[in-house]
Amino acid sequence: GEDVEQSLFLSVREGDSSVINCTYTDSSSTYLYWYKQEPGAGLQLLTYIFSNMDMKQDQRLTVLLNKKDKHLSLRIADTQTGDSAIYFCAESRFTGGGNKLTFGTGTQLKVEL
Amino acid sequence: GAVVSQHPSRVICKSGTSVKIECRSLDFQATTMFWYRQFPKQSLMLMATSNEGSKATYEQGVEKDKFLINHASLTLSTLTVTSAHPEDSSFYICSASGALQYFGPGTRLTVL
Repeated sequence: GEDVEQSLFLSVREGDSSVINCTYTDSSSTYLYWYKQEPGAGLQLLTYIFSNMDMKQDQRLTVLLNKKDKHLSLRIADTQTGDSAIYFCAESRFTGGGNKLTFGTGTQLKVEL
Repeated sequence: GAVVSQHPSRVICKSGTSVKIECRSLDFQATTMFWYRQFPKQSLMLMATSNEGSKATYEQGVEKDKFLINHASLTLSTLTVTSAHPEDSSFYICSASGALQYFGPGTRLTVL
């Protein structure tokens, strides 16, 4: 299908790891992104990975990419209450007008004490 | 990361009026800016791609006469919602594209 899919909801306890999964559609995507959106706010770029990489780690964030299965994941280590938000994955494709993003459906992460 | 601002952050208007939303890249030049719309608890829907100095490219189903986009400079794009109606009420978000895409904080439009 055309949709970039994510599970809708994830609940974890503070201090645990969170893993948010994403299945994308376009095998020619050049970059894959993870964005964070807090209530009433815009999107904050968390991290991204080039399509020729398998893994990228940035402090508490680890991105894994499985190109064969078109599967992307974001692991947040030592999850904190401030990590509660909606997380969007996005695939990008360069068009004549620039890098066009297609967003996933979003995963609501809830961190409980 | 790069900073993108939007103005206003929130606007309430009467049905039939037009509303202009500004998107500025503050610390880099963006040849391309994008305008998105987001409904509550939903993902972002791309409305149009705006390139500096040329006409915007609209996504299928987006009325170009309804949503006027002007990209006057490498740091400013504007979206004007003309003759707004209650169904245009939404959260509008812009992004500016350099090597990566950076998003503004969004504008909440409520049409009464």
